[in-house]
Amino acid sequence: DTGVSQNPRHKITKRGQNVTFRCDPISEHNRLYWYRQTLGQGPEFLTYFQNEAQLEKSRLLSDRFSAERPKGSFSTLEIQRTEQGDSAMYLCASSLDPGIFYEQYFGPGTRLTVT
Amino acid sequence: KNQVEQSPQSLIILEGKNCTLQCNYTVSPFSNLRWYKQDTGRGPVSLTIMTFSENTKSNGRYTATLDADTKQSSLHITASQLSDSASYICVVSAKDSNYQLIWGAGTKLIIKP
Repeated sequence: DTGVSQNPRHKITKRGQNVTFRCDPISEHNRLYWYRQTLGQGPEFLTYFQNEAQLEKSRLLSDRFSAERPKGSFSTLEIQRTEQGDSAMYLCASSLDPGIFYEQYFGPGTRLTVT
Repeated sequence: KNQVEQSPQSLIILEGKNCTLQCNYTVSPFSNLRWYKQDTGRGPVSLTIMTFSENTKSNGRYTATLDADTKQSSLHITASQLSDSASYICVVSAKDSNYQLIWGAGTKLIIKP
């Protein structure tokens, strides 16, 4: 296993379209996190899963956003009716629970541009 | 309110020089503090994790310090290399919040030859 992978790496879409991103965590990691990062800022927490259960969602995660982790392995993040304000880097991370400080390992991110 | 503030916002130094980045936090109760390096267009990579009882921790040319009394941390980079050009983000975890990290905005470091 070479780490957390995310696909696609880049996505350009028109306002109003739906987009879906995929994250494959490190295989033995039971926790998976989604973050959003805009230019010049640190990542903002969106949601996290313990196995297949979504345990926490940020207020940033509006009704247009939905995340799933159906079998406790890979996860998808879908944004419906995209808006220009959704343009950002979407980062996925995974960690092991229990683990050392729940250290999170990040993927390379998916950069979304909404035109 | 739990916050992490970093300074400077950006820094340009010549290759081979040393530099120190600062982090102040108001997270309570404190669990641990992390420094991440993030290359442009990539995900963050952990450099160090420090708990309340640790004052200093090194990872190669990176040395992090922590003063839990003043709630300050620093990241010192020795003999900088061009590959050190990146954003360095200070992140603090609160106790009983094992999933949520409070992120600073980062310091953008540029190393010039």
